[in-house]
Amino acid sequence: DQQVKQNSPSLSVQEGRISILNCDYTNSMFDYFLWYKKYPAEGPTFLISISSIKDKNEDGRFTVFLNKSAKHLSLHIVPSQPGDSAVYFCAASAMGDNYGQNFVFGPGTRLSVLP
Amino acid sequence: NAGVTQTPKFQVLKTGQSMTLQCAQDMNHNSMYWYRQDPGMGLRLIYYSASEGTTDKGEVPNGYNVSRLNKREFSLRLESAAPSQTSVYFCASTVRVRSSQHFGDGTRLSIL
Repeated sequence: DQQVKQNSPSLSVQEGRISILNCDYTNSMFDYFLWYKKYPAEGPTFLISISSIKDKNEDGRFTVFLNKSAKHLSLHIVPSQPGDSAVYFCAASAMGDNYGQNFVFGPGTRLSVLP
Repeated sequence: NAGVTQTPKFQVLKTGQSMTLQCAQDMNHNSMYWYRQDPGMGLRLIYYSASEGTTDKGEVPNGYNVSRLNKREFSLRLESAAPSQTSVYFCASTVRVRSSQHFGDGTRLSIL
């Protein structure tokens, strides 16, 4: 049973518009969340994180929103650029799970930004 | 360039053969991890090492062993490869618990 779900396997967005990638989780003990971006034949690279004490975190064009009651987080990319085309992974950890070292990853969403 | 280096990048094995995947990081990170990625699934943790001299099982440790050789190096061994272990393997490191992980570019392993 997947604890971290990304129900949209793929998403296409026009360049310059907003991309919204969603992530749902089932484990209420998760208290730290990260987003990674992955290009083909490369390893994931860290994008942005959020702790459960916050409901929003921004870094440039990237904003992550956390809704703890709904067990839902989303990544907003504004404006979207062709270079943002990649697979995006959501990951979560619980402090009680060996001091939070065990990150659980979602299956990923492939974003295509069309010029 | 600083980062996480994995070798080899590609490998084909026959069922029953053994293989060690190598990983080294030059960022002086304390913690290192091994993941596998399969189609339609996220990265799943195989083993991790919180610090030099310690290793712990992750979500899918069966069929694997690890060695934290020193602070820089963390190897993953398949003693008797099985087709179910065909996957892309990623090594990662992090400076401290709960910080973002730095990943290598992966090893693509096929077992026939």
